[in-house]
Amino acid sequence: QVQLQESGPGLVKPSQTLSLTCVVSAGSIDSDNNYWSWIRQLPGKGLEWIGSIQYSGTTHYNPSLKSRVSMSVDTSKNRFSLRVSSVTAADTATYYCARDNSFVNFDFWGHGTLVTVPS
Amino acid sequence: NFILTQPHSVSGSPGETVTISCTRSSGSIASTYVHWYQQRPGNAPTTVIYADDQRPSGVPVRFSGSVGSSSNSAFLSISGLETGDEADYYCQSYDTTGRVFGGGTKLTVL
Repeated sequence: QVQLQESGPGLVKPSQTLSLTCVVSAGSIDSDNNYWSWIRQLPGKGLEWIGSIQYSGTTHYNPSLKSRVSMSVDTSKNRFSLRVSSVTAADTATYYCARDNSFVNFDFWGHGTLVTVPS
Repeated sequence: NFILTQPHSVSGSPGETVTISCTRSSGSIASTYVHWYQQRPGNAPTTVIYADDQRPSGVPVRFSGSVGSSSNSAFLSISGLETGDEADYYCQSYDTTGRVFGGGTKLTVL
């Protein structure tokens, strides 16, 4: 059973860059069939896809966030990362990492990590 | 890109059947797979239906999915409602620009 675990600071100051990492265990990140994704959920709100990356480095980003988002992958450590620049209080959310399979279905998720940007 | 529209809330009594719709704003609902997730408070979402109508192992047969081309909508039906089904449900699909979630539907079991 694939497992994902997010890590990173729980508090980020406005205008700074949010950085999170997701470690994948019990499964290899270098599969042609999968993308690795970040999804966030604002407090009390719905799910928002942020972006997806394949082990090769191919990325797809949400057009609404694309100018501030970058993702990277480290196959040697079986992990991938998210950076969101110029954060504001509107970026306060629980951030999830997830596996995006060949059906474009998020079949495995991390537990989520709350990131707060004070106003 | 496109939008997936879901009702904000639905409700039903134990034993009843409820259906949640997910309407695609542009492009055909049938052109790409639709997936459904259940999210209980404080937990990450889990898949209850993938690829329009497939159930992951461990998901009860009470959960079923379908797609209606005439309404350009996908549907999640839950029969034999149980109190444990009370949760938020999200549909999700994709196109060449990325992945899209519906706004979510809160299911209340009365």
